[in-house]
Amino acid sequence: ETGVTQSPTHLIKTRGQQVTLRCSSQSGHNTVSWYQQALGQGPQFIFQYYREEENGRGNFPPRFSGLQFPNYSSELNVNALELDDSALYLCASSLATDTQYFGPGTRLTVL
Amino acid sequence: AQTVTQSQPEMSVQEAETVTLSCTYDTSESDYYLFWYKQPPSRQMILVIRQEAYKQQNATENRFSVNFQKAAKSFSLKISDSQLGDAAMYFCAYRSAYRGNLRGAGSYQLTFGKGTKLSVIP
Repeated sequence: ETGVTQSPTHLIKTRGQQVTLRCSSQSGHNTVSWYQQALGQGPQFIFQYYREEENGRGNFPPRFSGLQFPNYSSELNVNALELDDSALYLCASSLATDTQYFGPGTRLTVL
Repeated sequence: AQTVTQSQPEMSVQEAETVTLSCTYDTSESDYYLFWYKQPPSRQMILVIRQEAYKQQNATENRFSVNFQKAAKSFSLKISDSQLGDAAMYFCAYRSAYRGNLRGAGSYQLTFGKGTKLSVIP
């Protein structure tokens, strides 16, 4: 059984650019949640996808968007990057409302 | 909205000793889940232990146990026989309980505290 994987591991972008982060959910899981973790803070919920539809969103602007594919993998897209978007982005998968299991994260640096 | 507070930014423990990490939360809900996650320097968030609010018995997983006080809204983590590999950031997290069809019922996201950095002294 494979766990949750994320790509890329690290990413450096400049302000104003767009970025796409990817997440492959654990086998058998149909729900993906994305979190942003700023340095020295706990993760903050961005949004959740259940069976390819957004199922809830945290306090993040519309330039944060996502997708979930039929195989339940997911993408997080961020447009018009700002310096404050620099963070660790964590993806977690679960079977519906069961326990969430996290991937290793993508470290995004915006210059 | 629910909030989770971890009042100890840093803790240290001697190897083989016991340490307790504190967590309090605020909610108006009666049914929910509480979690402790560990985040080592490798960054991956690892589930340590889970507690269901309707269960009065405290959860245990090998050297890890919790003291769940529902009335006080307190959820502490006890690590016994501490090992060097236990050194990490520890996050307490809250999640509402399942109430029906997931679709359209809102998400069941985790609300995290700010974390406690645990150091283990050889």
